[in-house]
Order: sequence, then structure tokens, then C-alpha cells
Amino acid sequence: AQTVTQSQPEMSVQEAETVTLSCTYDTSENNYYLFWYKQPPSRQMILVIRQEAYKQQNATENRFSVNFQKAAKSFSLKISDSQLGDTAMYFCAFLSYNNNDMRFGAGTRLTVKP
Amino acid sequence: GAVVSQHPSRVICKSGTSVKIECRSLDFQATTMFWYRQFPKQSLMLMATSNEGSKATYEQGVEKDKFLINHASLTLSTLTVTSAHPEDSSFYICSANQGITEAFFGQGTRLTVV
Repeated sequence: AQTVTQSQPEMSVQEAETVTLSCTYDTSENNYYLFWYKQPPSRQMILVIRQEAYKQQNATENRFSVNFQKAAKSFSLKISDSQLGDTAMYFCAFLSYNNNDMRFGAGTRLTVKP
Repeated sequence: GAVVSQHPSRVICKSGTSVKIECRSLDFQATTMFWYRQFPKQSLMLMATSNEGSKATYEQGVEKDKFLINHASLTLSTLTVTSAHPEDSSFYICSANQGITEAFFGQGTRLTVV
């Protein structure tokens, strides 16, 4: 079974600064997707960024980028130019090609301070 | 992106009664939907995988007689919490995958059993 580990329960960053959230995972599969989801106080899950495991190039979406290290099974999220609206819970998630179900890490609560 | 609608967003029920939560994929067909439970300040825990036209697959420790799942069509899955008790109070979220590339989440349902 796949496991996803987020070792940072809480993080904070000053507005306009950069912050990196960590995620590691364990799997024996070779083909899978990795995601970062944001969950604001409304509790709606919002996709931040997605990475296909077969792609070596790190995914980027505007201020959000990942550092995907497949051999190390690491998938960190970097948020540049942090904004107050980035304050939320962030979940790292693993999606298996085979099982088609998504597994989540424990989450990191990010607070952006003005 | 695709839209998944979950209803109701909030429900309060008396202990011993049953409550049904609906999850609809509005603009795509979902052969598989997933039901998660989220306790306060915790991650999403997969409860069961809902398969259209067949029985749901439950995660270990989830009572299938307590949490009845029906996936009668390609756009609708329902979760019925039977004989609800206060410990069933939680936030329930559904998701549907479009292919294997991404999961789309409903808005969630906050269940309070009094």
C-alpha cells in the first residue's frame, strides 16, 4: 500500500517570501501521479499542482512549483511570493494508475503573515 | 475542470436516524467515486470506493452496514449513514476521477448527530 508522509504539521511565512512544504511517499509502483491540494477554511479541495511520475521535468503553475525526486520518493512544493490567500491546509496526495484511488498525507497548515 | 456536486453541505440529524449524502459528477461520467471522512484538523481518510453497477469496496475498519454506498448511475453515488450516532459526526467528502489523471472533489458535507 502507498503511504504519504508530510512531516511539517504547521508552517508560517511572511507575505512575499518563499516557503517549501515537504512530502515523501512510499510505493512499489512505477507509474503514478502526485498532487498538492489546498484546503482553505471553506474545506473545498483545490488542486494546486500535479506531477506525472514518468516526467522528469518538475511541474510549475505560476507561483507554485515542485521538486520531484523520484528515486528519493520526494515531492516538495515551493510557493513563491506568498500571498495572504495562500493561508490554508496543504495536502500531498498520491494517485495510483492501478488502484485509481488517492491517498493523502496528514497535511501542513500554512499561515502567511502580513 | 470537471465539477462534482455534493449535497447537502450541512446536515443535523438525531441519533438513531439515517442520513443520505449525494455526490454527482455534473459534466462527466464517473465509473468510480470515492468517499472520504475528515476529522477536524486531520487529513482525508478513504472510506470506500464506489463502483458504478457493483458493490462498493470498503477500507479496513469501515463498517459497510453503517455506511451504505450506492452508485446506481455514472453520475451519482450516495452515502447513507445508518443509525447515526454522535461519533459519526464528521466532514464527509466525495471525489470522482476523470480518467486516471485527476480527482475532482465535492464541496463536502458536515454531519452533526445530536
